[in-house]
Amino acid sequence: EPEVTQTPSHQVTQMGQEVILRCVPISNHLYFYWYRQILGQKVEFLVSFYNNEISEKSEIFDDQFSVERPDGSNFTLKIRSTKLEDSAMYFCASTRTGGTNQPQHFGDGTRLSIL
Amino acid sequence: GNSVTQMEGPVTLSEEAFLTINCTYTATGYPSLFWYVQYPGEGLQLLLKATKADDKGSNKGFEATYRKETTSFHLEKGSVQVSDSAVYFCALSDLVGSNYKLTFGKGTLLTVNP
Repeated sequence: EPEVTQTPSHQVTQMGQEVILRCVPISNHLYFYWYRQILGQKVEFLVSFYNNEISEKSEIFDDQFSVERPDGSNFTLKIRSTKLEDSAMYFCASTRTGGTNQPQHFGDGTRLSIL
Repeated sequence: GNSVTQMEGPVTLSEEAFLTINCTYTATGYPSLFWYVQYPGEGLQLLLKATKADDKGSNKGFEATYRKETTSFHLEKGSVQVSDSAVYFCALSDLVGSNYKLTFGKGTLLTVNP
């Protein structure tokens, strides 16, 4: 069964550094998402992306965050200047179509640790 | 806004025990409801879904019924196994602005002992 793949599985970065988290969604999927889960807290929506642009973003997704689909297969999340509070598990997800009844397919996540 | 409230964990059961994990939701639209499961060291996997009132989702012996009157989507399994040990997330999908997003509960850690 096709999977969403995320790399790296664990990223350790110094505070203030830029970090790029990478995702390869399922190949025929058109809608892409990033979520994060701070340890012990809920999984929170960050951003959705369709047709090469952001469709929706949460309050968390401020100017330090950006997303890109650089080459038709990868979907990246960039944090420009990381803060301690960015430490979390970041999940990428994708769906083939829109609609509330479409389950989102998730990757295994990237654990981001900011020192 | 939308929200999902899940039963606080952790939940510890013996093998073959009956499982219920409560989930209630608040939504302004007509959401679809999901249960996702996260096994240790892995990502979120869809366990089951229901897209309208009175629908029952089922998979791997787990069931949940979409109850609009009580805004609930409780997860049940008649006889749990050690391999069911995982974190279970209740979630709803609804149209927000121009797109759909998932709103998750906090997750419930289930440990099943042999």
